[in-house]
Amino acid sequence: AQSVSQHNHHVILSEAASLELGCNYSYGGTVNLFWYVQYPGQHLQLLLKYFSGDPLVKGIKGFEAEFIKSKFSFNLRKPSVQWSDTAEYFCAANAGNNRKLIWGLGTSLAVNP
Amino acid sequence: ETGVTQSPTHLIKTRGQQVTLRCSSQSGHNTVSWYQQALGQGPQFIFQYYREEENGRGNFPPRFSGLQFPNYSSELNVNALELDDSALYLCASSLAGLAGGYNEQFFGPGTRLTVL
Repeated sequence: AQSVSQHNHHVILSEAASLELGCNYSYGGTVNLFWYVQYPGQHLQLLLKYFSGDPLVKGIKGFEAEFIKSKFSFNLRKPSVQWSDTAEYFCAANAGNNRKLIWGLGTSLAVNP
Repeated sequence: ETGVTQSPTHLIKTRGQQVTLRCSSQSGHNTVSWYQQALGQGPQFIFQYYREEENGRGNFPPRFSGLQFPNYSSELNVNALELDDSALYLCASSLAGLAGGYNEQFFGPGTRLTVL
C-alpha cells in the first residue's frame, strides 16, 4: 500500500539553525510530492511541490526540498529558521494519475527565539 | 486565504447523531476532496467529488457520505456518529481536467467536530 513516512515527529530548534525534515514515500511509479505547512490556528498551505524536472524545488519562505528517486525521499530544508516557522509540516504524495493525496503524520516544529 | 470556506467552524454532537458539514470551493474549481485529521495525525482522505460525482474514496465506512452541487460546493454527511469521529474535517478544492491527474488542492480552515 502507498504510504508516506516522516522521520521526525517533534523538532525543536533555535533561530538561525538549519532545518531538515525527512520524508519517504513507498511507491515505485510516477509520483507527485508535496510539503504543506499548518501555522497555529491557520489552514493548510502548500509550501512546495515536485511533479517532474529539476529535483531541487524551491518553495515559499526560503524552503526547498530535494527529490531523490533512488532513496524514495523528498526532504524539506531551510538554511536558517525563524521563530515564525513554528508550525506543523506535512509531507504528502500523489501517485501518478491518482487524485488522492497520501499524507505523512506530520512534524511539529518549534523554533525558539 | 484560499477562498475555500467551511461551516460550521466548530460542532459538538453526541454518539448516534448525524452531522452535515459544508464546503464552498474556490471560484472556478470543480473538484472537492474531504479529509479527516485526528489530533496528532496527518489528514486521511475520505473521498473526492468531481463534477457532482464521487471520484475516489478512502477507507471510510458507508456512514460517511457526500454530495457535490452544481455550483461545486459540497457536503459531508456522517451518520451514527462514534466517539472516534471526533476530528478536524478538511475540505480542499481544485480544478481537475478531463484527462485526470493531480491538481493543486487549496484547503479550507476545517470544521472541528467533537462527539461526546
